[in-house]
Amino acid sequence: AQSVTQLDSQVPVFEEAPVELRCNYSSSVSVYLFWYVQYPNQGLQLLLKYLSGSTLVKGINGFEAEFNKSQTSFHLRKPSVHISDTAEYFCAVSDIAGGSEKLVFGKGTKLTVNP
Amino acid sequence: GAVVSQHPSWVICKSGTSVKIECRSLDFQATTMFWYRQFPKQSLMLMATSNEGSKATYEQGVEKDKFLINHASLTLSTLTVTSAHPEDSSFYICSVMRQETQYFGPGTRLLVL
Repeated sequence: AQSVTQLDSQVPVFEEAPVELRCNYSSSVSVYLFWYVQYPNQGLQLLLKYLSGSTLVKGINGFEAEFNKSQTSFHLRKPSVHISDTAEYFCAVSDIAGGSEKLVFGKGTKLTVNP
Repeated sequence: GAVVSQHPSWVICKSGTSVKIECRSLDFQATTMFWYRQFPKQSLMLMATSNEGSKATYEQGVEKDKFLINHASLTLSTLTVTSAHPEDSSFYICSVMRQETQYFGPGTRLLVL
């Protein structure tokens, strides 16, 4: 069974500072990996995804993530955050080899960007 | 991507009544849709997978007679919470599957009094 661990429940940073949100997964098979962002009282918006190919994935709003198979990680990074990046971020994995379309989510990381 | 809408965006109802939530895929035909619920400050929990023209597949612990799902067309899936109780109050979110990726609706906030 798959699982996703987001190591930090809350990450406070100052505006224009770099940020890294950590995500580790456990799975015995090949997976697809996703990062979603959720603003208050809204649904989830896809930030980026890794399906295959280059392990460095660039997404919207200046975010990027790197898939590291040996460390089973998919950490999200942004070199300079804005106040508007304050939101909840979810890492998710799906089991492609098993033919499952289901997503398993981490518990989320609340990013707070302070002025 | 995909554009997904939900209606209503929020609803308040009395205990014992039923509430229907609609999920629409606006820009493509979705054979598979998913329904999630999210409690405050928690992650999303998959409730069921909705397949067009067939019965939904429910996750363990989700009462299929309480949460009725209908996926009658390739652009519409509905979730009906029957005989709602205060513990059913939650944020319900649907998603559609397109090219190995799920795209989410804006969610429906349900409050049962």
